[in-house]
Amino acid sequence: ELKVEQNPLFLSMQEGKNYTIYCNYSTTSDRLYWYRQDPGKSLESLFVLLSNGAVKQEGRLMASLDTKARLSTLHITAAVHDLSATYFCAVLSNDYKLSFGAGTTVTVRA
Amino acid sequence: ETGVTQTPRHLVMGMTNKKSLKCEQHLGHNAMYWYKQSAKKPLELMFVYSLEERVENNSVPSRFSPECPNSSHLFLHLHTLQPEDSALYLCASSQVAGDTPPLHFGNGTRLTVT
Repeated sequence: ELKVEQNPLFLSMQEGKNYTIYCNYSTTSDRLYWYRQDPGKSLESLFVLLSNGAVKQEGRLMASLDTKARLSTLHITAAVHDLSATYFCAVLSNDYKLSFGAGTTVTVRA
Repeated sequence: ETGVTQTPRHLVMGMTNKKSLKCEQHLGHNAMYWYKQSAKKPLELMFVYSLEERVENNSVPSRFSPECPNSSHLFLHLHTLQPEDSALYLCASSQVAGDTPPLHFGNGTRLTVT
């Protein structure tokens, strides 16, 4: 069974500083997704990473995938308040089941 | 507008009630999913329908009964639920796995069982 671990589970960020969220998974996969969820809202797709070494960037967020290490990172550059949300990674197994991490709740403070 | 619409947004029901959750997608997708999101736990896949046929049932208790009458609509029928079933129930859709596109989620139904 594919297990997905995110850390940290809670992250208090100071505005303007850089932070990283880590996503480790237990079995081979080269399909990884990052989602964002605001309180009371739906999950919004952020990034789709489909191969080893894939890197995607959107604004202050950058995601990367290392399939050999079974690790994805979500890097936040110069945090701002509107990045406060819960971030989930999800990994697709070989039998096309999508397993989610527990989520990282991010709070950005002034 | 997410392209996936769930109703109701909130539902409070007693343990002896019968209710249904509804999901509709306007994205032309052909796979639909029910997920359960509980506090402090990862999202749990409950059911998957691909091309209107159920392809996954993750050992979900029979008090949850899904229905997929067509590729745009998905229901979750609820009866004799337990308080531990209180959670956010999320519907999602996608194209059938091939290019492995991301799931598109609805806003969810917040269910409270009293």
